[in-house]
Amino acid sequence: DTGVSQDPRHKITKRGQNVTFRCDPISEHNRLYWYRQTLGQGPEFLTYFQNEAQLEKSRLLSDRFSAERPKGSFSTLEIQRTEQGDSAMYLCASSLEGGVNTEAFFGQGTRLTVV
Amino acid sequence: SQKIEQNSEALNIQEGKTATLTCNYTNYSPAYLQWYRQDPGRGPVFLLLIRENEKEKRKERLKVTFDTTLKQSLFHITASQPADSATYLCALIKAAGNKLTFGGGTRVLVKP
Repeated sequence: DTGVSQDPRHKITKRGQNVTFRCDPISEHNRLYWYRQTLGQGPEFLTYFQNEAQLEKSRLLSDRFSAERPKGSFSTLEIQRTEQGDSAMYLCASSLEGGVNTEAFFGQGTRLTVV
Repeated sequence: SQKIEQNSEALNIQEGKTATLTCNYTNYSPAYLQWYRQDPGRGPVFLLLIRENEKEKRKERLKVTFDTTLKQSLFHITASQPADSATYLCALIKAAGNKLTFGGGTRVLVKP
């Protein structure tokens, strides 16, 4: 499978714990995006990278959230001191910079439940 | 502030009919508008893209229109099938490679 893969698919954690998610984009894609989606809503932008550089971070993103993309390949999203409001689906997507169609390819997502 | 609105009410439609979904936006000047399909528990899947200078785009049974004056896109599924049942998301993008900004999605249910 050469699509975007995310790990884990599901995560249940206790409030106050830290969690880390991983995303492996399509190998030739240099743009990588993180989104968060709650039930009945569309995906909400969190941050995105071009190669290893983090180009934009949502103003809505708490400083408890941090993302990295070392060496411009896979990416990790860490949430520190989780809160119940962090419960959501976390989606990763990748795309090709300069691609004519600009379409984004999404992974299956990581569903986080904070109890 | 920027706002992208899709009808939050589910659209129930009989098989074989045309489903029409709307996407309205304010305080935004997108270069591209995209439509995605999302099935429960899965990530969105790209369907169609239309550029700001294009009026209409077609792909098989799908048709998208884009009116930058009205700030509106219409998405049509013709000859709908039960397999078309899903949530459809519109997304706007200011420039190639930039982030997508999504609407809330419209759930479509095609009844046999």
